[in-house]
Parts: sequence; C-alpha cells; structure tokens
Amino acid sequence: GAGVSQSPRYKVAKRGQDVALRCDPISGHVSLFWYQQALGQGPEFLTYFQNEAQLDKSGLPSDRFFAERPEGSVSTLKIQRTQQEDSAVYLCASGPQLAQLTNTEAFFGQGTRLTVV
Amino acid sequence: KQEVTQIPAALSVPEGENLVLNCSFTDSAIYNLQWFRQDPGKGLTSLLLIQSSQREQTSGRLNASLDKSSGRSTLYIAASQPGDSATYLCAVMGNNNDMRFGAGTRLTVKP
Repeated sequence: GAGVSQSPRYKVAKRGQDVALRCDPISGHVSLFWYQQALGQGPEFLTYFQNEAQLDKSGLPSDRFFAERPEGSVSTLKIQRTQQEDSAVYLCASGPQLAQLTNTEAFFGQGTRLTVV
Repeated sequence: KQEVTQIPAALSVPEGENLVLNCSFTDSAIYNLQWFRQDPGKGLTSLLLIQSSQREQTSGRLNASLDKSSGRSTLYIAASQPGDSATYLCAVMGNNNDMRFGAGTRLTVKP
C-alpha cells in the first residue's frame, strides 16, 4: 500500500478486556516502531523491531503489553486486561532501514484510538 | 534515558508573524532530529530532518537548526498562516534507533 495502515482506527474496550492492534507497514520496510500517545502529550516510545527481531521493548509500560512481528512484516500490539490508563492513541511507524524515517507522511500510520471504559 | 522538552507548550499568534519553537534534549549522542506536524486525529507529517552532522535544514517557510553540543533545536516559521495551526513535535533519534518525542507545541495562527 501507499503508507502505513493501522486497524482498527477506533477501539472501545471494557476494563479487563484483551485487545489487539494491527500495523501494516510499508512493504519492504525493515524498521517498525510502536508509540503510545496520551491526550495532549507527545508520542511515547513503546518498542522497536528490525525485521522480526524485537530489539528494544524498554518502553512497554507493563507485562500486560506484548508486541510481535513474526514474519517481519505485519505487527500486532496486544494489551491484556486493559485498564483505563491504557486509553491513548497507539501509533505505528515504519522505515526502510535502520532508523531511516524520511520526510514523507506515509511513514507514520494514523493510529488506533483506544478507549477503555 | 533521553528527555526531550518543548517550549512553549502552546502559542497563539496573528497571521503573518514570524515565530520560533524550541526543543531541548538531554543526551547529545543523537543520530538525527526531526520536526513533525500533527493535525487533530491525524498521524505525523515529517517537516524537516537534521542529521547529527548538520546545523540546519530549510524547507519553504520553515527553517530548523540544531546545536547538538548544547542539546537544542529551533523551528523557525516565517510569515505564519492559519493553515500552519497544528501541534509541532520534535523527535530525537538515538544511536540505538529509539526515537523520543517532546510533548509538542500547539500552535494557533489567527486570521
């Protein structure tokens, strides 16, 4: 596709429910990043993949958060037993090679807005 | 851990004014620095990318500078227009491929 695609765009979950957020990066992109953006804040780094390898997961806020990219393409961010503080926009970004996020809008997805009620 | 700070948090100016947005970071060992624009409900649009070896980049009415040793960057917007109204985010890429964002400056340009 022309850019990074994230689904669903919006998700409402009851507290305690598990959710899965999907990111389809640009075809052939090596790097993939997940970010969490709370209302009125900048994006906070969650985790980074290079192909299928998760090289950095230091930003995942708790062991309820889990990300995978098993075939080095599509990635899924899973949140178990959701809590109200998980409410945020989850952004995915991809790059052609190590950290090479160049000047095109297509490199960031539009995000998934998660609301936990 | 890299900390990125943006000042001011919000800015409102009349149309036509020149303005400066500020970004500071605590760890000077960076790969690059990017300025992004974010409109409500949208993803991020990359505006300018400055490599660690560069001092500035220009694109149209936008000019971004980088002083790596002092941990500072500025985004200069000339002759502001109402269409420039958005949140501007500064992001620093570390040598470990982790990109850290500031909280952003919310800009309003009044007609």
